[in-house]
Amino acid sequence: EAGVAQSPRYKIIEKRQSVAFWCNPISGHATLYWYQQILGQGPKLLIQFQNNGVVDDSQLPKDRFSAERLKGVDSTLKIQPAKLEDSAVYLCASSLGSPNQPQHFGDGTRLSIL
Amino acid sequence: GESVGLHLPTLSVQEGDNSIINCAYSNSASDYFIWYKQESGKGPQFIIDIRSNMDKRQGQRVTVLLNKTVKHLSLQIAATQPGDSAVYFCAGKTGNQFYFGTGTSLTVIP
Repeated sequence: EAGVAQSPRYKIIEKRQSVAFWCNPISGHATLYWYQQILGQGPKLLIQFQNNGVVDDSQLPKDRFSAERLKGVDSTLKIQPAKLEDSAVYLCASSLGSPNQPQHFGDGTRLSIL
Repeated sequence: GESVGLHLPTLSVQEGDNSIINCAYSNSASDYFIWYKQESGKGPQFIIDIRSNMDKRQGQRVTVLLNKTVKHLSLQIAATQPGDSAVYFCAGKTGNQFYFGTGTSLTVIP
């Protein structure tokens, strides 16, 4: 079974620029998550999708972050404009969608803001 | 607010010994818990999970214990190997959302 695919693996941009990350979840997984992981901390949920609908985006900084999952499969996360404090690893995870199922993570995109 | 925390940020064990990593959570409504292993440059990897109606679950070389009375769970790794060196996270689910602890870095000494 192929795992969660993310790209790019690394991205370096200057502050105030925009950036986008892409995620392809495990086939058949209805639920997709985007997490932000700052160095030395645990992942923090940004947004959760069930199929193509948003379940929870309460911790997404909506003035600069946006995410979509138009066809209920792949997803993109965008930051515009980026700030220095956005430097982190952005992790995508997916799960089957039924209650109490483990999330499976991709290897993330490491974002550095100069 | 919701919190999940690990007791020790770092842990060193001798190869072959057993490791115990502890985690505390704040919300008694949390109903599902997962332990993850994260190696450098990789995403968290699922190790084992436990539902709140259980107090113990065993996998291959790993055991998770859940004490709902004191809101505590632990991960026990038997016969720790150098390949077990990584950061370990516990995560608890409340409603639809998972809350992660800050991680314990396990170092296995050969």
